[in-house]
Amino acid sequence: GAVVSQHPSWVICKSGTSVKIECRSLDFQATTMFWYRQFPKQSLMLMATSNEGSKATYEQGVEKDKFLINHASLTLSTLTVTSAHPEDSSFYICSARRQGGNEQFFGPGTRLTVL
Amino acid sequence: GDSVTQMEGPVTLSEEAFLTINCTYTATGYPSLFWYVQYPGEGLQLLLKATKADDKGSNKGFEATYRKETTSFHLEKGSVQVSDSAVYFCALRVAGGYNKLIFGAGTRLAVHP
Repeated sequence: GAVVSQHPSWVICKSGTSVKIECRSLDFQATTMFWYRQFPKQSLMLMATSNEGSKATYEQGVEKDKFLINHASLTLSTLTVTSAHPEDSSFYICSARRQGGNEQFFGPGTRLTVL
Repeated sequence: GDSVTQMEGPVTLSEEAFLTINCTYTATGYPSLFWYVQYPGEGLQLLLKATKADDKGSNKGFEATYRKETTSFHLEKGSVQVSDSAVYFCALRVAGGYNKLIFGAGTRLAVHP
């Protein structure tokens, strides 16, 4: 149990386009989902925390208008990178936490390359 | 602010060798500490954790002890296997709020037969 999936696993897009990444909890209800960004050989950096049905809480320095997060249901959160640029190229990882739990369960990540 | 520092990799070992991956942290208050493992092509998995000073977390032969006096949580295994090859992340969880995790940079371990 506690499986989290991400789609797509990788995506290549042109500069200026928008890209949507999905994060799903497959066998549990996730009241809280987290979005991380990982640069090569660097830490996972928390971008934002989202609770189902409410606005996401963004970390300092993360542009909320650029990284749109929607957590419309207890099993799905989406991250949309708007007007992507090459500097947005990175590995994006989500995690999900069930109601009343402390542990985060991680997805396999999505590699975004912006040309 | 809160942060985690872990030794740079890659760490390359022969099978049955002893493993140590160092991790130190900086935090206000009393964080919980974690080791996560990421196998190729998979998501991060919780390997072990410790929630207070002097606690020892253990799983699959791996151990780590929460040392408040040295602010450390070093990962050890007495005899590694090829199947342990992965990236290992040390992390701390800040109490309160959404219980967010702060990660170290990760250490890649390669074990050869």
